[in-house]
Formats: sequence, C-alpha cells, structure tokens
Amino acid sequence: AQSVTQLDSQVPVFEEAPVELRCNYSSSVSVYLFWYVQYPNQGLQLLLKYLSGSTLVESINGFEAEFNKSQTSFHLRKPSVHISDTAEYFCAVSDRSNDYKLSFGAGTTVTVRA
Amino acid sequence: NAGVTQTPKFRILKIGQSMTLQCTQDMNHNYMYWYRQDPGMGLKLIYYSVGAGITDKGEVPNGYNVSRSTTEDFPLRLELAAPSQTSVYFCASRPSAYEQYFGPGTRLTVT
Repeated sequence: AQSVTQLDSQVPVFEEAPVELRCNYSSSVSVYLFWYVQYPNQGLQLLLKYLSGSTLVESINGFEAEFNKSQTSFHLRKPSVHISDTAEYFCAVSDRSNDYKLSFGAGTTVTVRA
Repeated sequence: NAGVTQTPKFRILKIGQSMTLQCTQDMNHNYMYWYRQDPGMGLKLIYYSVGAGITDKGEVPNGYNVSRSTTEDFPLRLELAAPSQTSVYFCASRPSAYEQYFGPGTRLTVT
C-alpha cells in the first residue's frame, strides 16, 4: 500500500525567499508523483507531475520538484516566492497496482509574508 | 470545457437530513472520484467509479452512497447526516492514468 508523508504542516516564508516543501512516499512499485496546490477557498490544481524520464520536473510558475528514488522523496522547491504563492500544497502518489488511485499527504500550508 | 463542476458550493444540514452532492464533468473521462477534506488530514477517498454503471468503495465510505448512470455524472448521497460528515467534498475525474482534475468543492456543515 502507498503512503505519503509531508514533513512540514506549516511553512512561513518571507517574500522573495526560497522555500522547500518535503514529501516522502512509500510504495513497493514504480510510482507517479504529483504536487497539487489549493488556493484559499478553491479546489486543487495540478502544479507538476513526475511520470518518467528526467527526475527534475518544473512548473510554469517557477516551482520545481526532484524525484529521488533511493530516498523515496519528491521535494518541492521555489527559489523566490511571491505573496500569491500563499496556499496549501499537497503531495500525492499513484501506481499501477492501485489502479492509479491517488494517495495524498496531509498538506503543507505556505504563508508568504511581505 | 467547463471541466468538473459541483453543486451546491455551500450547504448546512441538520442531523438526520439527507442530501445529494452533484458532480458533472464534460471531458468524457471514465474515472471519477469523491473525496472529503478535513483540516490536517489531506484528502480521503470516499467512493470512485471506473465507468458508467461501476462504482466501488474508497477509504471512508460509511454514511455515503453513489451512483454512476452516465459518464458525465457522479452524485454523492448522504442519507442520514451526522456531525462527523462536516467537511469539504471534492469530486475529481481522470481520463486513464496520470493526473486527476478537481472540481471547486462543496462545503458542508452538519449541525
């Protein structure tokens, strides 16, 4: 069975500072990995995904995540955050053995201050 | 495309009442899901469907029912509302493998 652990529940950060959100997963098979973002009072939007190939994946708004198979991690980073990045971020994993159902972490709330 | 739509956006129920949360997608996706989101708990899968006429339980199905008579619609039924069902409910769909597409959510309060 899959499980996802997001190591930080709250991350306060100043505008233009870097941020890293940590995600570890457990699965016995090859996985697909996702980061979703939820802005206040909205649904979840896909931020980026790892399916195969290059272990470094990027989003259009400056986030990146690196798949590390040996450490079973998929940490999310942004070198310089904006106020508009204030949101909750969810790491999720799926694999073929579970018919690609998503297992979510508990979420990390990022609050960006000026 | 409207994507995944959910109605209502907000609802307050009294204990013991029933209601149906509506979910519709216009992307012709086979797979559809219902989740509940509670603070600090992430999203928990309630029910899912792999196509019209086929549904199955997720992690937390107790107190809920679903049906899937068409590809587009996947309503979630609460028969006897309880305070423990106070939550935000999200519907999602996906085409085959890979990512899911989420609706905007329904915020339900049971008092």
